[in-house]
Amino acid sequence: GDSVTQMEGPVTLSEEAFLTINCTYTATGYPSLFWYVQYPGEGLQLLLKATKADDKGSNKGFEATYRKETTSFHLEKGSVQVSDSAVYFCALLTGANNLFFGTGTRLTVIP
Amino acid sequence: EADIYQTPRYLVIGTGKKITLECSQTMGHDKMYWYQQDPGMELHLIHYSYGVNSTEKGDLSSESTVSRIRTEHFPLTLESARPSHTSQYLCASSPWDIATDTQYFGPGTRLTVL
Repeated sequence: GDSVTQMEGPVTLSEEAFLTINCTYTATGYPSLFWYVQYPGEGLQLLLKATKADDKGSNKGFEATYRKETTSFHLEKGSVQVSDSAVYFCALLTGANNLFFGTGTRLTVIP
Repeated sequence: EADIYQTPRYLVIGTGKKITLECSQTMGHDKMYWYQQDPGMELHLIHYSYGVNSTEKGDLSSESTVSRIRTEHFPLTLESARPSHTSQYLCASSPWDIATDTQYFGPGTRLTVL
């Protein structure tokens, strides 16, 4: 069945460091892929998405490329800020049009 | 900015109580969802709805029930709360159009059952 495997956390980085959070998926067909972010005490917000192979989603300096050959959708940011501290979820849209989430990765950025 | 609301934000109740978690959205979205979020952050879909009078069970079995009498409203009810129901509950909605497949989340209800 459909599934998402996400890099285990927590991840702690210094401000301006490079961020990568790995995400791989298993799915039939060609799912849409998403990254959601959850700031402390809040619900989830869509960060970026890609709907087909080789698409690159980007937002707020974050980006992720839909790689069909490696079934991956890794999240990257070149220079993280303290305000990026949050939990990041990789997600896949199933054939039933429901989202299937990864386990989440907590990122803490220290000044 | 998503217009999806959940009340209460925090709830502490005793075992055996009946509770209803409210979720409303003003975007006219057909699809709505309830997720349960573990303390370890993992999200599990417990209920969803395609529209009025439609309710479906999600991937994770839940003792809760839902109803969808109005498009904008998707309440979740626990008839007899237990400590094992302690969790964060997130409501979400999305338009039916598959080309616009983003889900919009409410702020969540953190439930503690003593």
